[in-house]
Amino acid sequence: QSVLTQPPSVSAAPGQKVTISCSGSSSNIGNNYVSWYQQLPGTAPKLLIYENNKRPSGIPDRFSGSKSGTSATLGITGLQTGDEAIYYCGTWDSSLSVSGSWLFGGGTKLIVL
Amino acid sequence: EVQMVESGGGLVQTGGSLRLSCAASGFSFSNYAMSWVRQAPGKGLEWVSGISGSGGATYFPDSVKGRFTISRDNSKNTVFLQMNSLRVEDTAIYYCAKDQAYGSGSFFDYWGQGILVTVSS
Repeated sequence: QSVLTQPPSVSAAPGQKVTISCSGSSSNIGNNYVSWYQQLPGTAPKLLIYENNKRPSGIPDRFSGSKSGTSATLGITGLQTGDEAIYYCGTWDSSLSVSGSWLFGGGTKLIVL
Repeated sequence: EVQMVESGGGLVQTGGSLRLSCAASGFSFSNYAMSWVRQAPGKGLEWVSGISGSGGATYFPDSVKGRFTISRDNSKNTVFLQMNSLRVEDTAIYYCAKDQAYGSGSFFDYWGQGILVTVSS
């Protein structure tokens, strides 16, 4: 059971919009930046969103991030079949050990119907 | 182009040791923290260690503290993960990741392709 809670799966049709939630607490999301990662089948994770809502160069603006309180959300518009992947949220947590610890959510599998 | 290439994985018995290496290129290596993240078969991502750009500070989750150590050689642009007292549950793909910061505020902007570590009983 991850400290950061994500839905196991979400689905939507091509061209539609989907959101993926990531719920935490004040010791992690509530006081730290959130980043999001996309892992296509058989590949390494890839950074999609950093510092809650910023996109690295090369990431299309179909991907967006937001944070409110102790929750964060990844949004994907104009869904494409190539977006089928597992999406992970991540953030720092200051309570799990003396020096702090990096956390990932359990991952959400996006199914494009 | 930023690249990280992991090596040193393989099959080891329970209680054994393994040393992973990650050779980095394409960025000013000593200016950045580095981390190792693992993924057990069919499971999610788990961060297992981080090290500051100078190598002077390291951090680990409780699940590997005391068994894993991380170090780096900035003259060779390489980061290492020494894994001792290995357990079956350490079986995973291990990824090397470039950190944008050390500790709070960090995120992983580049990842290696991963290396498989299998611990058998």
